[in-house]
Amino acid sequence: DIQMTQSPSSLSASVGDRVTITCRASQSITSYLNWYQQKRGKAPKLLIYAASSLQSGVPSRFSGSGSGTDFTLTISSLQPEDFATYYCQQTYTTPWTFGQGTKVEIK
Amino acid sequence: QVQLQESGPGLVKPSENLSLTCTVSGGSISSYYWSWIRQPPGKGLEWIGYIYYTGSTNYNPSLKSRVSISVDTSKNQFSVKLSSVTAADTAVYYCARGDSGYYYGMDVWGQGTTVTVSS
Repeated sequence: DIQMTQSPSSLSASVGDRVTITCRASQSITSYLNWYQQKRGKAPKLLIYAASSLQSGVPSRFSGSGSGTDFTLTISSLQPEDFATYYCQQTYTTPWTFGQGTKVEIK
Repeated sequence: QVQLQESGPGLVKPSENLSLTCTVSGGSISSYYWSWIRQPPGKGLEWIGYIYYTGSTNYNPSLKSRVSISVDTSKNQFSVKLSSVTAADTAVYYCARGDSGYYYGMDVWGQGTTVTVSS
């Protein structure tokens, strides 16, 4: 299985901060990398697919980059509604696997 | 827009089978990959497997011997069955739609259903 490792596991940030979350794959997954946001008690929501493509309806402050094994999710200016847990997921090969999650908390 | 709704028992006894159904409304079940994902309490996400609308399946090897996913296109539903459950199978179970045009990113999710394995 391809292992997905996110860092950090959690972070504290203030409204307006620029936030970057990293995801590393145990082998190359080209651009088959998706990012999800999950709020407490809710289903995950697709933010970014194919490493850098913004899902329809997602604010432009979210962006993704990377290819191969190293990827980043960036929130350019953190908003109150962005406090949540973020997961990366590879769909390059089955079993599709998720990172362990990064919890973004209010500072 | 497309909506997914999970249904099934919230409590299952150890060693019994867990069966859940996902009903797709507002759109067709055709041309997409339909997945089941679970999340144990306080933990991360685990992909269980998917079924393509043609009936082709792919399962997580960690569950492969116990899981099966089926589709009923006439009812716009797909289902998961997990056999011989233990407490480790206690989780929120989600169904979701994967789109090959989105590199299989799952763009529509059900709200999730909590399944507890306990006697």
